[in-house]
Amino acid sequence: QVQLQESGPGLVKPSETLSLTCTVSGGSVSAYYLTWIRQPPGKGLEWIAHIYYTGIINYNPSLKGRAAISLDTSKNHFSLRLSFVTDADTAVYYCARGRDWLDPWGQGTLVTVSS
Amino acid sequence: EIVLTQSPDFQSVAPREKVTITCRASQSIGSNLHWYQQKPDQSPKLLITFVSQSFSGVPSRFSGSGSGIDYTLTINGLEAEDAATYYCHQTSSLPWTFGQGTKVEIK
Repeated sequence: QVQLQESGPGLVKPSETLSLTCTVSGGSVSAYYLTWIRQPPGKGLEWIAHIYYTGIINYNPSLKGRAAISLDTSKNHFSLRLSFVTDADTAVYYCARGRDWLDPWGQGTLVTVSS
Repeated sequence: EIVLTQSPDFQSVAPREKVTITCRASQSIGSNLHWYQQKPDQSPKLLITFVSQSFSGVPSRFSGSGSGIDYTLTINGLEAEDAATYYCHQTSSLPWTFGQGTKVEIK
């Protein structure tokens, strides 16, 4: 079955760029919508963005243009870059398959913004 | 953006009792409402899609209903393994949004 796994640095300095990758196994990244979601410690879920291999991309306007999602079909993974991070961007970042309902989710990776 | 408001925020329920969680949208979202369960230190798991369709492998005690702006997740006969936070999620209008979560504790 399809599985997703996030990877990337666990610590990012303020004003720098957060970069995460989600590797998809058991299926092709060209077959599904793929989504990033985050969850600040002790808080709820926030949808960040999704991408489809045809070039469809949508972002949450709350990120004020700082997010960039991309797809690498040769490596069967997709990525998230979030620029000019602040401590408000500290969260567990999840990747998930789907446009509407999301399943499965990756296990999540904690990214802390701190100097 | 569409705001989803869940109630209650917290519920303590005895085993085998019925749990009802509501999700109210700030505008009509049709059938574009889904439910997830998140246990501590785990990623969310999909329970219900498009208001009332049970996802594969989800126990039959979980059910969803609703329309317009008011939706409900029901757990008929709470079990110890159901202790978790439950989230509703709308995909009617971008940006997709989630409710704030309802934490269910086993009494």
